[in-house]
Amino acid sequence: QVQLQESGPGLVKPSQTLALTCTVSGGSISTGGSYWSWIRQHPGKGLEWIGYIYYGVSTYYNPSLKSRVIISVDMSKNQFSLRLSSVTAADTAVYYCARLPHDWGQGTLVTVSS
Amino acid sequence: SYVLTQPPSVSVAPGETARVTCGGDNIGSKGVHWYQQKPGQAPILLIYYDSDRPSGIPERFSGFNSGDTATLTISRVEAGDEADYYCQVWDRNGGHPVVFGGGTKLTVL
Repeated sequence: QVQLQESGPGLVKPSQTLALTCTVSGGSISTGGSYWSWIRQHPGKGLEWIGYIYYGVSTYYNPSLKSRVIISVDMSKNQFSLRLSSVTAADTAVYYCARLPHDWGQGTLVTVSS
Repeated sequence: SYVLTQPPSVSVAPGETARVTCGGDNIGSKGVHWYQQKPGQAPILLIYYDSDRPSGIPERFSGFNSGDTATLTISRVEAGDEADYYCQVWDRNGGHPVVFGGGTKLTVL
């Protein structure tokens, strides 16, 4: 079974860029057919898909976030990353990385505040 | 974009059967995944592609998908099943390929 672990700052200032990394173990991120995804959950709310990267190069983003999101892969480190620019308090959430639908990271809380 | 509709809450007594629905336009033509999320924890996959169970998921959890409704059935409900349940589909024809339902809070009375 693949394990995923999110890492990155837990506090980001408004207007800055949120940057998170997901480290994958127990499997290779270069294996085809996996949807390496980012999902977030606002406090007390449901799951919101942010985007995914597929076959290491094809990316698909939630249209509501598309202008601010970049997902990339570092195959040498078996990691994939999320960058969300121009953040506001509305981006405060628990961020999950996942190999949809099967495997999820434990999630990391990111708070946007000055 | 494609919309999945779940009831906000379902209540059931221990030992009874709980059914959580997920409605969507012709959802029967899509593969549906179901997740369980307990407070403070990450979601876990319960059912994938309508009715398959990952290893380690009890047989008490089953799924069915037809027409405009997918259903997660939990038999012989236990107190430990109290959680939020989410459905998810792939909508590759739209610009929003991953869609989650709003979630259903299952309360065990």
